[in-house]
Amino acid sequence: DTEVTQTPKHLVMGMTNKKSLKCEQHMGHRAMYWYKQKAKKPPELMFVYSYEKLSINESVPSRFSPECPNSSLLNLHLHALQPEDSALYLCASSQEVQGRGETQYFGPGTRLLVL
Amino acid sequence: AQSVTQLGSHVSVSEGALVLLRCNYSSSVPPYLFWYVQYPNQGLQLLLKYTTGATLVKGINGFEAEFKKSETSFHLTKPSAHMSDAAEYFCAVSVNSGYSTLTFGKGTMLLVSP
Repeated sequence: DTEVTQTPKHLVMGMTNKKSLKCEQHMGHRAMYWYKQKAKKPPELMFVYSYEKLSINESVPSRFSPECPNSSLLNLHLHALQPEDSALYLCASSQEVQGRGETQYFGPGTRLLVL
Repeated sequence: AQSVTQLGSHVSVSEGALVLLRCNYSSSVPPYLFWYVQYPNQGLQLLLKYTTGATLVKGINGFEAEFKKSETSFHLTKPSAHMSDAAEYFCAVSVNSGYSTLTFGKGTMLLVSP
């Protein structure tokens, strides 16, 4: 089973709202990722958590706040977003297999529209 | 540092024709290489990967890719296209350092006509 789940599937929010995206995996993977994807573009890495600790923050604005409550769950808290933040937000997880590196498995994404 | 170049932002084939999507990479260390497919309004699905061992890699849905170190290439092929293959395809290279960091190509949209 290589399933990563994301909720909600779609989200519309105003610029003053606070909302959260949720990502869950039960594969025992110890690394989890948030990506942002604009139309016709590849995913852009935002954050990486490894063993529940933030390992990479790709200079993401503070209006995006990640949280990793446990090894299976990853949240992305959103506050005071701008219309240009509208995008598909993808979560992924990975686990190293000795001698064969790591493979990232992606969730279905949350389509975010900021009005 | 690593990079990925996908030749052709769009590739059009007829149903039943050979599919060839090109990917060239650069990496300062032995690479791990991946092909992902993305259908409209969905996440990325892993098609296949090269890590070590056999250079011809078989994936899902009849796709395969061959790692050619001398050409720094990892082209994706399928002998006979189906309408359901129409999607965006991303080639990616990763370097692992406690977690993986994927560098994606810009993507190739595969269009399949009847």
